[in-house]
Amino acid sequence: DQQVKQNSPSLSVQEGRISILNCDYTNSMFDYFLWYKKYPAEGPTFLISISSIKDKNEDGRFTVFLNKSAKHLSLHIVPSQPGDSAVYFCAALAYNTDKLIFGTGTRLQVFP
Amino acid sequence: GAGVSQSPSNKVTEKGKDVELRCDPISGHTALYWYRQSLGQGLEFLIYFQGNSAPDKSGLPSDRFSAERTGGSVSTLTIQRTQQEDSAVYLCASSLGVVSNYGYTFGSGTRLTVV
Repeated sequence: DQQVKQNSPSLSVQEGRISILNCDYTNSMFDYFLWYKKYPAEGPTFLISISSIKDKNEDGRFTVFLNKSAKHLSLHIVPSQPGDSAVYFCAALAYNTDKLIFGTGTRLQVFP
Repeated sequence: GAGVSQSPSNKVTEKGKDVELRCDPISGHTALYWYRQSLGQGLEFLIYFQGNSAPDKSGLPSDRFSAERTGGSVSTLTIQRTQQEDSAVYLCASSLGVVSNYGYTFGSGTRLTVV
């Protein structure tokens, strides 16, 4: 039972363009969502989060959008840079818990 | 230490052997988590320690898996009678308290290969 789904295993984007990574969830009890970035042979690192009471959160080149009615969130990276090439994981946190539920990840490749 | 430290970074073991994986969390972090990432899979929750509370073991895949956390700091994940399907990257993470805004801090993981 995959509660957090990232249906695109990979994405390829040209440098300078926008990267859009998508995530769907099924559990309506999730009230926080986080994105992590993972480089090979390293642990995932926190990127950005959003509360369920918001529909947008922005941090520099990274913006996360949340559509609660559709149970969908997306991460936008503008402009994309080659250093953004990594695996991106979407994660969700249910109310009153501290256990993150992760998606399967999307591998982003940004080419020159 | 400054970050979450895991050892060994790589481990190759023969099927049927026992293995121990170690995690040193960030000093002062009360919560410690173990996840694993199998080939082509997401991060699968295994077990969670919070302070002196009983651990949440709901993600352990079988009774061959166990974990302990001594003195509220270092944790050891033990896999008995390893099987080939146990091959994965085992990730440890820790957090100070409120997970919602900043999530966990992960270590670099232990890559376990069972041959």
